[in-house]
Amino acid sequence: GQQLNQSPQSMFIQEGEDVSMNCTSSSIFNTWLWYKQDPGEGPVLLIALYKAGELTSNGRLTAQFGITRKDSFLNISASIPSDVGIYFCAGQPSAASKLTFGTGTRLQVTL
Amino acid sequence: DVKVTQSSRYLVKRTGEKVFLECVQDMDHENMFWYRQDPGLGLRLIYFSYDVKMKEKGDIPEGYSVSREKKERFSLILESASTNQTSMYLCASSFGGLGNTIYFGEGSWLTVV
Repeated sequence: GQQLNQSPQSMFIQEGEDVSMNCTSSSIFNTWLWYKQDPGEGPVLLIALYKAGELTSNGRLTAQFGITRKDSFLNISASIPSDVGIYFCAGQPSAASKLTFGTGTRLQVTL
Repeated sequence: DVKVTQSSRYLVKRTGEKVFLECVQDMDHENMFWYRQDPGLGLRLIYFSYDVKMKEKGDIPEGYSVSREKKERFSLILESASTNQTSMYLCASSFGGLGNTIYFGEGSWLTVV
């Protein structure tokens, strides 16, 4: 099946710092999604990307659909304590395919 | 807002028991999914359904079955629970094509002792 490599696995940052994480697939994807999971809750959609090169923002979050269509990036600017959680990427190679999820990036923010 | 509701947030069951996890969505979504989440392994698809009474195996269907008698409801069944099925279970739903945005429930924490 499809494989998604998400990195880093975990991050410990200080409040106010910027964060970057990425996801790489073994094949070309036509959709990339980024989810956040708060502790003890289900994942919630942050950003959806449908076009190579697309750059989309949601508040302090910005995600990009890589030009090669094999990767995607998520940046968080000026992190705050409520950014704590697990961030998942998800992608699919075609509209008829199931979504494949990355293994997640666990973000910890210290004051 | 999309609402996916999982009936039980926390369950403790004994080895060998039959376990039912229930999920209901209120957005008339065609697709429904059951995932399992374990540390370091991410989200793994157990089963999914794209229509009433239809079901498809995901990546890790062994030890599980599902039931979709109504469009809004998708049940995950553990016929004989085992300790290695201790996990967080997430139900999700989406419109139409399988790659459309998936909306998740809050999760059910199952402990098998």
